[in-house]
Amino acid sequence: RKEVEQDPGPFNVPEGATVAFNCTYSNSASQSFFWYRQDCRKEPKLLMSVYSSGNEDGRFTAQLNRASQYISLLIRDSKLSDSATYLCAHLGGSTLGRLYFGRGTQLTVWP
Amino acid sequence: EPEVTQTPSHQVTQMGQEVILRCVPISNHLYFYWYRQILGQKVEFLVSFYNNEISEKSEIFDDQFSVERPDGSNFTLKIRSTKLEDSAMYFCASSDGVLGGNQPQHFGDGTRLSIL
Repeated sequence: RKEVEQDPGPFNVPEGATVAFNCTYSNSASQSFFWYRQDCRKEPKLLMSVYSSGNEDGRFTAQLNRASQYISLLIRDSKLSDSATYLCAHLGGSTLGRLYFGRGTQLTVWP
Repeated sequence: EPEVTQTPSHQVTQMGQEVILRCVPISNHLYFYWYRQILGQKVEFLVSFYNNEISEKSEIFDDQFSVERPDGSNFTLKIRSTKLEDSAMYFCASSDGVLGGNQPQHFGDGTRLSIL
């Protein structure tokens, strides 16, 4: 059973485009959800937490759909610097602090 | 901005040798973690640590692995007898809480472990 599933991509979009990623999770008791970005051979860097009501941080919008057990990330007005792998992650509902990561969705923004 | 630091950045070791990976978590954080990422695969949880003891460990974290917080700042991962399949990036992470809201984990820049 895969805890977290993501479309690996790659997504190739031009600068200025809007792109969206989805991520599904299997544990209905999961409490907290996050999006991380990972550049090639670097550490995951927290992009944003995902709140039940949805949240926005500049060009980034995250949403949580508990009924369908997925989270989404929308990037508006894509920049070249947005090129990275985007990892979704959640804390398992019955465990303390164990983050389950998806394999990531690769995004390339071209000029 | 405070950050998690890890040393060394790259460790090359002969199979069967012991290796110790070091981490300095963010100073006011109380929860510490080790993850690993084999090249091309997803980030996998190894172990969590709180109040000087292991909170949880995954099936990867077998008897060859151990963690320690020898002083007030360092958090180490030891692999006693390394195997080829231990080659991976090892990430340390820390957070200032676990439950009660979204308290994300912050990652160090990793140690690349290469077993020959």
